Amino acid sequence: GESVGLHLPTLSVQEGDNSIINCAYSNSASDYFIWYKQESGKGPQFIIDIRSNMDKRQGQRVTVLLNKTVKHLSLQIAATQPGDSAVYFCAENLGRSQGNLIFGKGTKLSVKP
Amino acid sequence: DGGITQSPKYLFRKEGQNVTLSCEQNLNHDAMYWYRQDPGQGLRLIYYSQIVNDFQKGDIAEGYSVSREKKESFPLTVTSAQKNPTAFYLCASRVAYGTGYQPQHFGDGTRLSIL
Repeated sequence: GESVGLHLPTLSVQEGDNSIINCAYSNSASDYFIWYKQESGKGPQFIIDIRSNMDKRQGQRVTVLLNKTVKHLSLQIAATQPGDSAVYFCAENLGRSQGNLIFGKGTKLSVKP
Repeated sequence: DGGITQSPKYLFRKEGQNVTLSCEQNLNHDAMYWYRQDPGQGLRLIYYSQIVNDFQKGDIAEGYSVSREKKESFPLTVTSAQKNPTAFYLCASRVAYGTGYQPQHFGDGTRLSIL
């Protein structure tokens, strides 16, 4: 597969446990944030997004938390499954008029059966 | 099914050769993007286009060129001026310029290597 996971922070969890992946973003003016999942050899897949006027947003088995005070974003995955194993990226949008994103370096999630 | 198609999946370039990576989308999106991904790094923006017949340089445009003659297509040429072209190239699209809170959606990439 593609070597996108080299030298990345790694989180290893047991199947069925909850996972928390963290991301520090860079710009206090960012107003929109996205989490992506990237499996080996594939492109990033949209998971969930959140606007800066929100603190929390929930999806199916995933929750994103936003703390603007410390410029921190987290992705919580409930009941982690082997299929969740991938690299997870956060991305911030510096200005809604452009839609251009700045991506973090990613965290590799490894789920042990 | 709507989506973004990148081709080829694997591409090899000889020294001094230009190569073109294809990106086609049938999502009716106005905006399209090209990124480069290296191991252990986040995605870096090469070029983007918000509308047909217009495109802008991203953070690492040197050694690359693009065109946007059709809404559906945004090909990327890696020229011989790009001295370190080995990377995973990702194409993305987004609904429209200025629509605010909409994510980019990605193709499955092209892996470019040097012979």
